[in-house]
Amino acid sequence: GAGVSQSPRYKVAKRGQDVALRCDPISGHVSLFWYQQALGQGPEFLTYFQNEAQLDKSGLPSDRFFAERPEGSVSTLKIQRTQQEDSAVYLCASSLRGGTGKMDTQYFGPGTRLTVL
Amino acid sequence: GESVGLHLPTLSVQEGDNSIINCAYSNSASDYFIWYKQESGKGPQFIIDIRSNMDKRQGQRVTVLLNKTVKHLSLQIAATQPGDSAVYFCAETTRGNNRLAFGKGNQVVVIP
Repeated sequence: GAGVSQSPRYKVAKRGQDVALRCDPISGHVSLFWYQQALGQGPEFLTYFQNEAQLDKSGLPSDRFFAERPEGSVSTLKIQRTQQEDSAVYLCASSLRGGTGKMDTQYFGPGTRLTVL
Repeated sequence: GESVGLHLPTLSVQEGDNSIINCAYSNSASDYFIWYKQESGKGPQFIIDIRSNMDKRQGQRVTVLLNKTVKHLSLQIAATQPGDSAVYFCAETTRGNNRLAFGKGNQVVVIP
């Protein structure tokens, strides 16, 4: 079956522009996660959805970052007024179940590489 | 594509030899640990996981060891192959928290 897909794969933005990054999770997966990966570093958590509910957004670095998953499937990560420090790979992951007390595998997409000039 | 593994600790291993990758985790409350493999231009790929009530788990050609006393995790790859060349990350989480915390990556380079 299809894995997690993300689009676009590459995005170049001028400083100050808004960008929107899309994630299509594995069909039927309840949980969806966004991570940010700087060059040479491990991914860092941004936010987590269980179905359409955003249960944890503590990792979002500023109020310029906004994520949504309105129908509990596809998710969009939006970055307003992009800055050079936003340049990174943005990874989406999904897992089958959700809720505390349940730990299951997070499957990652290929990421979107954002470059802010 | 651009390398994931710039300036990362690098393990060079001869094809066919065994590889051992180490990871020190930070949170003593963590109770679930995962190893991911990341190739250049791709997202992390699940390799193997282990829960805190275990100290060893084996998969196909891979073994994960967990030492909770010293907060140490290791990944052993048997008979390393060229396709094993990648950056390897350990990740930890707790039962009440769905977010993964990734450690520093280790680049493995397999020499044919």
